[in-house]
Amino acid sequence: GQNIDQPTEMTATEGAIVQINCTYQTSGFNGLFWYQQHAGEAPTFLSYNVLDGLEEKGRFSSFLSRSKGYSYLLLKELQMKDSASYLCAVIGDYKLSFGAGTTVTVRA
Amino acid sequence: GAVVSQHPSRVICKSGTSVKIECRSLDFQATTMFWYRQFPKQSLMLMATSNEGSKATYEQGVEKDKFLINHASLTLSTLTVTSAHPEDSSFYICSASLGVGDTEAFFGQGTRLTVV
Repeated sequence: GQNIDQPTEMTATEGAIVQINCTYQTSGFNGLFWYQQHAGEAPTFLSYNVLDGLEEKGRFSSFLSRSKGYSYLLLKELQMKDSASYLCAVIGDYKLSFGAGTTVTVRA
Repeated sequence: GAVVSQHPSRVICKSGTSVKIECRSLDFQATTMFWYRQFPKQSLMLMATSNEGSKATYEQGVEKDKFLINHASLTLSTLTVTSAHPEDSSFYICSASLGVGDTEAFFGQGTRLTVV
């Protein structure tokens, strides 16, 4: 199975940058996703990494190091609407497993 | 991205009754669909994997006789919670992919089940 760890909560100021770390242990690794989930809603896709390195998409960037079993999601120029839970999810042996999620609170 | 539609979005049922949740892929054929359950402030937990035309594969600890999954076509999978109890109250989410090895999963909107 997979073991996925990420911080429970983070707080940041509007306009700032926040980095959410995720470490994982899995067999048959085939990619790592980051999802955003607002309360009571389904997750929405943010990014996908399968090779080492940084993927940038607008204000959001995601980094992967397969040798270290490590990823981070970087949120820049934080906006109030970015307050949500951010889920790290790993595909291992063709199964998608989720971390517990990091609740990010953006304050004015 | 592809669209997955899940229905109903909310349902309240009495204890002991059964509830059916539908998950449809609207613009693609989903060989594989996944059913997750999420309790408040917890992560999504995979319940089962269903493949069109074959029996679902349930994760450890999930009762297959209580959570019936039917994936009769390439665009529809259903989850039936039988003899529901208050502890089954949760957020149920389906996702679909194009097949084994396909890396992206597309999520339905989720179903909030409340058993009273």
